Formats: sequence, C-alpha cells, structure tokens
Amino acid sequence: GENVEQHPSTLSVQEGDSAVIKCTYSDSASNYFPWYKQELGKGPQLIIDIRSNVGEKKDQRIAVTLNKTAKHFSLHITETQPEDSAVYFCAADSWGKLQFGAGTQVVVTP
Amino acid sequence: DADVTQTPRNRITKTGKRIMLECSQTKGHDRMYWYRQDPGLGLRLIYYSFDVKDINKGEISDGYSVSRQAQAKFSLSLESAIPNQTALYFCATSGQGASGELFFGEGSRLTVL
Repeated sequence: GENVEQHPSTLSVQEGDSAVIKCTYSDSASNYFPWYKQELGKGPQLIIDIRSNVGEKKDQRIAVTLNKTAKHFSLHITETQPEDSAVYFCAADSWGKLQFGAGTQVVVTP
Repeated sequence: DADVTQTPRNRITKTGKRIMLECSQTKGHDRMYWYRQDPGLGLRLIYYSFDVKDINKGEISDGYSVSRQAQAKFSLSLESAIPNQTALYFCATSGQGASGELFFGEGSRLTVL
C-alpha cells in the first residue's frame, strides 16, 4: 500500500519568513495530494490540494508543488504569520482512501 | 452547529471496559471514516464506510469494530479497551467520488487506564 513520509517533524520560523514542508510517497498510482492544517483542539482542515496533472498550485500565501517522477510534493508558506502556527499533514490518495504523513508542528515566532 | 459531531469529546476508562464513540454528520455525505491520531504517527485509518451497507477495515482495525446505523451516523466501538488504545480519535466524512475533501469532527480523546 501507499507509504507517505513527511519532513521535518517540527519547524520553527520567524514571523515573515517562509516555511517549507516536504513529503514523499511510494505508490506511483496516487494522483491526489492534499494538505491539512490542524489547529490546537480542532480536527484537521483542508488548506490546499493538487492533482497529478498539475505541477504547482497557489492560493494566496500557500503553494504546493508536485514532482511525480521523483514522487515528492511540498507545501510552501510565504510571509508566515502567528496564525500559521499549527500541525500540518500531507496525504496521498490510495484507492480512494487517504494515507497521511506523520505531521509537522510549525511554530511561528514573533 | 458543527457539520461533523463526535461524542464524547473526552473519556477516561479502565482496561477491559467496552467503549463506544459516536459520530453524526449533517453534510449529507455517503462516505464516513474513523481515524486514530498518535504523536509522531499522523492519522491512521481504522475503518471506513462508503455507504450504509458498506464497511471496510483500514490499516489498524484490530481491537475495533464499527456500526453504520444510518447515512448520517457511524460509531466506533472498543470491545475491551487496552492502554495502547489511548489516543485521539477522529471521525470524518467525504462526498462521493475519488479524491474528495475530508471533513473532520473535533475529535474524541480517549484514555484507557
């Protein structure tokens, strides 16, 4: 089955700097790659996703890139703000079910 | 009101007790899921159901069972709880079709002593 690895496990950034989280996946048949954000005490929420026919997608300060050949995808957050502090999960679709990475704790310091 | 509601939000129980976690949704989705979250392990799928008559095991189903009582209701049971089932449990729903957005509840924190 699908295996998703996510790095780093924790990331501390200064407010205003950029943050990058990287994921790799194992199943070349996977074609959908969402990113979820989990704030303290809440359930995860979808923030952006990308499908395999696209190499990059942007939504304001967040962007996702996908390299299907290398089987890796990344989340980029620019101009980080305190409200970006959360746990971020990448995922890959495997036969209609999502396989999640282990998560990245992002802390944005003023 | 939340689209996906989980009860209870917190529960402390003892080894060997039977526990049920309940989930209800108002999104009208056919697909429902139970995930378990542990630090450093991410979200792991326990069971999923693509419609009322469909129940499937996920990657960590041992020690758990589920019941899909209606389109809107999906409950998770621990027949005889053990300490390593201490975790945060999430119910989620999604619409039909592959690669749909998951909508999560706020979680049920279970502690087994």
